Amino acid sequence: GQSLEQPSEVTAVEGAIVQINCTYQTSGFYGLSWYQQHDGGAPTFLSYNALDGLEETGRFSSFLSRSDSYGYLLLQELQMKDSASYFCAVRRTDSWGKLQFGAGTQVVVTP
Amino acid sequence: DAGVTQSPTHLIKTRGQQVTLRCSPKSGHDTVSWYQQALGQGPQFIFQYYEEEERQRGNFPDRFSGHQFPNYSSELNVNALLLGDSALYLCASSLRVGGNIQYFGAGTRLSVL
Repeated sequence: GQSLEQPSEVTAVEGAIVQINCTYQTSGFYGLSWYQQHDGGAPTFLSYNALDGLEETGRFSSFLSRSDSYGYLLLQELQMKDSASYFCAVRRTDSWGKLQFGAGTQVVVTP
Repeated sequence: DAGVTQSPTHLIKTRGQQVTLRCSPKSGHDTVSWYQQALGQGPQFIFQYYEEEERQRGNFPDRFSGHQFPNYSSELNVNALLLGDSALYLCASSLRVGGNIQYFGAGTRLSVL
């Protein structure tokens, strides 16, 4: 089948670095996206990787390796406001515009 | 510049009833997608509208239908509500061409009793 796997929860202290892995099984996709969602809020776009390699946006970085069917989101200098759910998602080539999401990773930042 | 807006924010219905949810896309966006998000899960794609037509559909029954208006706003209709339809319904807008980013609204929380 076609699926995205990510850890269910990660806990870290303020100032730490957290890496959220996403492994996927899909026949073809345009790119790997990451979204952040606070409780009761809208998913918010964080990062997009169309090509292999690292994309850096401030404290957040995202990586994609198509040959390994793997990507990750790196959160640096963690802040309390980073406590949220993080979703990886792919836009598949067989369904333009449809985003397929993973189940999400709950990041808990402690003082 | 207003983002994606959805209404209502919360809704309570009983089994068998019908519901209509509304979405206004981000200014300049021409494509609207709808997602269902159960508690603790990722959003699940329902369908996508572009040029007032349904272009893509996920694994949802025909009880789920939609519409897109000339101003790009959209409605999601669910008939014969089931308890399992209780979820957060998210609308996302994007550009048809080159639209790698989808912008989400805050959603409508539907509770079916």
